[in-house]
Amino acid sequence: AQSVSQHNHHVILSEAASLELGCNYSYGGTVNLFWYVQYPGQHLQLLLKYFSGDPLVKGIKGFEAEFIKSKFSFNLRKPSVQWSDTAEYFCAVNARAAGNKLTFGGGTRVLVKP
Amino acid sequence: DTGVSQDPRHKITKRGQNVTFRCDPISEHNRLYWYRQTLGQGPEFLTYFQNEAQLEKSRLLSDRFSAERPKGSFSTLEIQRTEQGDSAMYLCASNGGTVMSTDTQYFGPGTRLTVL
Repeated sequence: AQSVSQHNHHVILSEAASLELGCNYSYGGTVNLFWYVQYPGQHLQLLLKYFSGDPLVKGIKGFEAEFIKSKFSFNLRKPSVQWSDTAEYFCAVNARAAGNKLTFGGGTRVLVKP
Repeated sequence: DTGVSQDPRHKITKRGQNVTFRCDPISEHNRLYWYRQTLGQGPEFLTYFQNEAQLEKSRLLSDRFSAERPKGSFSTLEIQRTEQGDSAMYLCASNGGTVMSTDTQYFGPGTRLTVL
């Protein structure tokens, strides 16, 4: 069975700082990878996804993530955060041979101080 | 609004009562998923449907839980004899179809259940 680990539970940073959130998964087969974001009071929204091709994927709001297959990682980055990036971020994996379900990490709460 | 909708948004019940939640997926989506999210955790998969067929159920889904999607459109999740440990956010998601990506799951706002 696949599992997802997010290294940081809470991150606090100031506006304009750079952000990197770690995500590692355990599964030996082909996977689809996702980052979802949940802003305060809102539902889960897709930030970006990787299915195949270029391992560096760009998402909405200036976020990007890099799939490193050898490290089973899919870290999320943003060069300069804004106060509006305060949210909880979830990494998720869909193992293609294991059906359509998503396996989520525990989430990282990001607080951006103005 | 053409997104996934869930009803009710909040439910408070007493231990031992039965509750039922409804999910309306994006109209052209043929796959529908239920997840449960407890405080401080990521969502955990419960079950999923392709059209009206329930294709997978998690071990998390005890005998007290039942889900249906009778006509392949909306779905209901029923919890019988609720326990305090059932308190959580119940999320619905959908994907599949011709308009949007077939693999990205789109989530609804969730139903927050509190069992007293």
